[in-house]
Amino acid sequence: QVHLVQSGAEVKKPGASVRVSCKASGYTFTTYPMNWVRQAPGQRLEWMGWINAGNGNTKYSQKFQGRVTITSDTSASTVYMELSSLRSEDTAVYYCARGGVVAGLVWGQGTLVTVSS
Amino acid sequence: QSVLTQPPSVSAAPGQKVTISCSGSSSNIGINFVSWYQQLPGTAPKLLIYENNKRPSGIPDRFSGSKSGTSATLGITGLQTGDEADYYCGTWDSSLSAWVFGGGTKLTVL
Repeated sequence: QVHLVQSGAEVKKPGASVRVSCKASGYTFTTYPMNWVRQAPGQRLEWMGWINAGNGNTKYSQKFQGRVTITSDTSASTVYMELSSLRSEDTAVYYCARGGVVAGLVWGQGTLVTVSS
Repeated sequence: QSVLTQPPSVSAAPGQKVTISCSGSSSNIGINFVSWYQQLPGTAPKLLIYENNKRPSGIPDRFSGSKSGTSATLGITGLQTGDEADYYCGTWDSSLSAWVFGGGTKLTVL
């Protein structure tokens, strides 16, 4: 059974960076891409980017290009998402989600990131 | 504004059937598989349908999906109060090179 466990809630000041982790289990880590999707309060789901867990290749949404970095540690079956230059509008729940357009997305439990001075 | 368009809300009585539409374009739904997600209040989205009409193990056959052209539809039969949730469609947009999602549809079981 696929299980994605994310790190805990974070509170950051504007201008800071945040790193959220996502530990995967229940499947072969390198055989599926891992996505990051965020959801601001009351808002729709917003895709940020993904990483090919097998070779480390990444693709980012144009909106977040230059501010987001997704990395993976295959030895720990863990993917990380770092978002820099935080602003209040980045306050959201951040989800990791395994899969692609064929298999669909299986989601972690979410990590609340609050940006506040 | 979402790339995929869903009705903001739908409602029906327990035991009845409801459909939720998802309208896209030739660069997303028209050429890629659609998946559907259920988000219960305060929880993460859950995969309901993938490859337009397939259900992951554990998803009851009360949930179904279909696709025609640049639109997709989620159907739910035998509605239960526990089905009250937000439902999202999603797919890859080949022009944007990004996943895109609908704005979500809030289902109320009256």
